[in-house]
Amino acid sequence: EAEVAQSPRYKITEKSQAVAFWCDPISGHATLYWYRQILGQGPELLVQFQDESVVDDSQLPKDRFSAERLKGVDSTLKIQPAELGDSAMYLCASSHGQGREEQYFGPGTRLTVT
Amino acid sequence: SQKIEQNSEALNIQEGKTATLTCNYTNYSPAYLQWYRQDPGRGPVFLLLIRENEKEKRKERLKVTFDTTLKQSLFHITASQPADSATYLCARNAGNNRKLIWGLGTSLAVNP
Repeated sequence: EAEVAQSPRYKITEKSQAVAFWCDPISGHATLYWYRQILGQGPELLVQFQDESVVDDSQLPKDRFSAERLKGVDSTLKIQPAELGDSAMYLCASSHGQGREEQYFGPGTRLTVT
Repeated sequence: SQKIEQNSEALNIQEGKTATLTCNYTNYSPAYLQWYRQDPGRGPVFLLLIRENEKEKRKERLKVTFDTTLKQSLFHITASQPADSATYLCARNAGNNRKLIWGLGTSLAVNP
């Protein structure tokens, strides 16, 4: 069964450092999502791609966060500089679209900023 | 603004009973609602999607309803098992670009 891949699974970094997360969606899924989830809360959308184009980044803190999906396949989310408040689970998900709206999530990256 | 509200208190039930979780939404009815299961430290797993024109949908021991008058979806797990213990998330679509707005989730504990 196809899965969404994410790496790393865990990341500990000091504040003011740069950190990057990688996501490989399910093959053929045109839509890719990056979410941030704080313990006890639902996922919060950071950025949504349709192929290589950003369709929603309204909640992305653009002064420190950036995301790209250059060839419309895998994607990278970067934080620079990291702040203590960025500690959270970062989830990547993908969906097929074309009337199939369910999202498939990767295992997530647990980020701890010290 | 569009919101999703779920039971904030954890739900504890006895094995074999039916668990019922509630999801309420505000503003206009979404085109669809989705339910996901999330285990600690893992990403959510899709369970069911119900569209605005559907009243009920089933999958094995799971059933979800959509009441546009009450602005509510109910999620049922029949013959519950300890393995059903998890957090269950409800999400609604927002707009036409498949963006989802998520609830906080309801924690379910099924006791043997």
